[in-house]
Amino acid sequence: NAGVTQTPKFQVLKTGQSMTLQCAQDMNHEYMSWYRQDPGMGLRLIHYSVGAGITDQGEVPNGYNVSRSTTEDFPLRLLSAAPSQTSVYFCASRFKLNTEAFFGQGTRLTVV
Amino acid sequence: EDQVTQSPEALRLQEGESSSLNCSYTVSGLRGLFWYRQDPGKGPEFLFTLYSAGEEKEKERLKATLTKKESFLHITAPKPEDSATYLCAVQSTDSWGKLQFGAGTQVVVTP
Repeated sequence: NAGVTQTPKFQVLKTGQSMTLQCAQDMNHEYMSWYRQDPGMGLRLIHYSVGAGITDQGEVPNGYNVSRSTTEDFPLRLLSAAPSQTSVYFCASRFKLNTEAFFGQGTRLTVV
Repeated sequence: EDQVTQSPEALRLQEGESSSLNCSYTVSGLRGLFWYRQDPGKGPEFLFTLYSAGEEKEKERLKATLTKKESFLHITAPKPEDSATYLCAVQSTDSWGKLQFGAGTQVVVTP
């Protein structure tokens, strides 16, 4: 049982480049989310999904796109990377809204 | 708007020295309050869920309690392996899919 799997673990981008952070879960959870974690600011919600084909914006959505074509996968796209997007990114999934979230191991992204 | 505030920001304990972490929250209605542990370079690991005031959950040296405005995570006789950042998060009744996290309390337990 793999849980939530994120790839890559580390990435360095140049300003203006695009990339996709991958997230997959094998628990058949409907709810999936992307967070970024910055020192002293805690986890901030970027985008979330309540099921295949349904996504919505979180607290800090600018510069990021998501889609949810299957229950298992929830990729996060950076369209044109900026240094302000240097952060650690976590994907999470939940069975129901009142149950705990399971997190991946994170992607450490540096934009230079 | 949902708000979660954790205190203190950092806590240094001697092994065996019990203490408590605080998580105060403001939500329109509480669907659930969650505690997580996060080790450096890792994703948050689930510890407890609390749903209603008066509820308590225990696991080894950790005990979480909930009132209508705050939650406490009590660490009894901590060991060095309890060193981690402890995160609190709330799910309100009117914020679909949105877990609101506090900034965390970094706990260091020295032998």
